[in-house]
Amino acid sequence: EPEVTQTPSHQVTQMGQEVILRCVPISNHLYFYWYRQILGQKVEFLVSFYNNEISEKSEIFDDQFSVERPDGSNFTLKIRSTKLEDSAMYFCASGTDRDNTDTQYFGPGTRLTVL
Amino acid sequence: QKEVEQDPGPLSVPEGAIVSLNCTYSNSAFQYFMWYRQYSRKGPELLMYTYSSGNKEDGRFTAQVDKSSKYISLFIRDSQPSDSATYLCAMSGGNEKLTFGTGTRLTIIP
Repeated sequence: EPEVTQTPSHQVTQMGQEVILRCVPISNHLYFYWYRQILGQKVEFLVSFYNNEISEKSEIFDDQFSVERPDGSNFTLKIRSTKLEDSAMYFCASGTDRDNTDTQYFGPGTRLTVL
Repeated sequence: QKEVEQDPGPLSVPEGAIVSLNCTYSNSAFQYFMWYRQYSRKGPELLMYTYSSGNKEDGRFTAQVDKSSKYISLFIRDSQPSDSATYLCAMSGGNEKLTFGTGTRLTIIP
């Protein structure tokens, strides 16, 4: 069964450093998302991406964040200058509206720790 | 009022019991409703989705949506220890973004 994959599983970085989180969505999906989950809190939407551009972003997704689909398979989230409060699990998701159900399939996540 | 409210639990039930998990929401624009299961430090796993009022059954799981009351439920029959996880409700208005509940932590006691 196809699945969303994410690398690395755990990333430790120093405050102020840039990090890139990588995702390989399910191959025939057209919609791509990033969510985050701070420990003990709910899953929060960051950004959605369709047709090579951002279709929606949340207040969390400020100028420090960017997304890119550099080739036909990868989808990346870049945080330019990490802050302590960026420590969280980051989930990539992909979906298709073929059934008009808005279902999204999540990857296993990258745990980002900012020191 | 939060957009999506979900009792965080924890909820502990004996093996074999019927489990009822619930969410309420305030945004009338929500049209699509999903239940995800999340094991500790793992990604949410899609269990059920529906986009209409009524019931949808898949094996031991039944999802129920009442749009008039803005209330959704997930029932688990013949619960197993492997069902122990956090259950997340999620919904969207067709604009792609999912809004999640806080999750209910469920433990099935053998």
